[in-house]
Amino acid sequence: EAGVTQFPSHSVIEKGQTVTLRCDPISGHDNLYWYRRVMGKEIKFLLHFVKESKQDESGMPNNRFLAERTGGTYSTLKVQPAELEDSGVYFCASSQNRADTQYFGPGTRLTVL
Amino acid sequence: RKEVEQDPGPFNVPEGATVAFNCTYSNSASQSFFWYRQDCRKEPKLLMSVYSSGNEDGRFTAQLNRASQYISLLIRDSKLSDSATYLCVVTAITNAGKSTFGDGTTLTVKP
Repeated sequence: EAGVTQFPSHSVIEKGQTVTLRCDPISGHDNLYWYRRVMGKEIKFLLHFVKESKQDESGMPNNRFLAERTGGTYSTLKVQPAELEDSGVYFCASSQNRADTQYFGPGTRLTVL
Repeated sequence: RKEVEQDPGPFNVPEGATVAFNCTYSNSASQSFFWYRQDCRKEPKLLMSVYSSGNEDGRFTAQLNRASQYISLLIRDSKLSDSATYLCVVTAITNAGKSTFGDGTTLTVKP
């Protein structure tokens, strides 16, 4: 069974540019989560989808971040415009049910110069 | 105070040693508990779930004390390959299933 996949694995952009990260969850997993780890900090929750609906987006840092999950399959996380403090590793995770084990993707390492 | 707090580490131990990591959580509504392992520049991977009855998987034993809101991970007979960062993860249904991570405790096992 394929795991959670994320694209791209690395992205280097300049401040003010736009970047879109993609996550493909494990097939059949309704729950999809985005997390972020910035340098020297713990992994922090960004938001949670159940199918195509945003269940909780309390962790989204500001309105420069937009997440979508059209059709309830893959999800995208767009950062526009990117700022220096957005640099970090963005992880996506999926689970079958809430509070089940979450399986993580390999992450996208974002560097904003 | 952080919602999930772990031993700050790092832990540097010789091969064969027994090492224990501790984690406390502040949300009494927490429902599911996990230990994840994260290797350098890799994603977190589930090591084991943690139950009130305790659970053991080979050299690894996890314990949960709900009254004290405390989770532990014991590694016996440490191997070089155990070197990694160990993340305590807590999930509360009231938080819509989102997971809260500790900072992680780094373990280095030396020959």
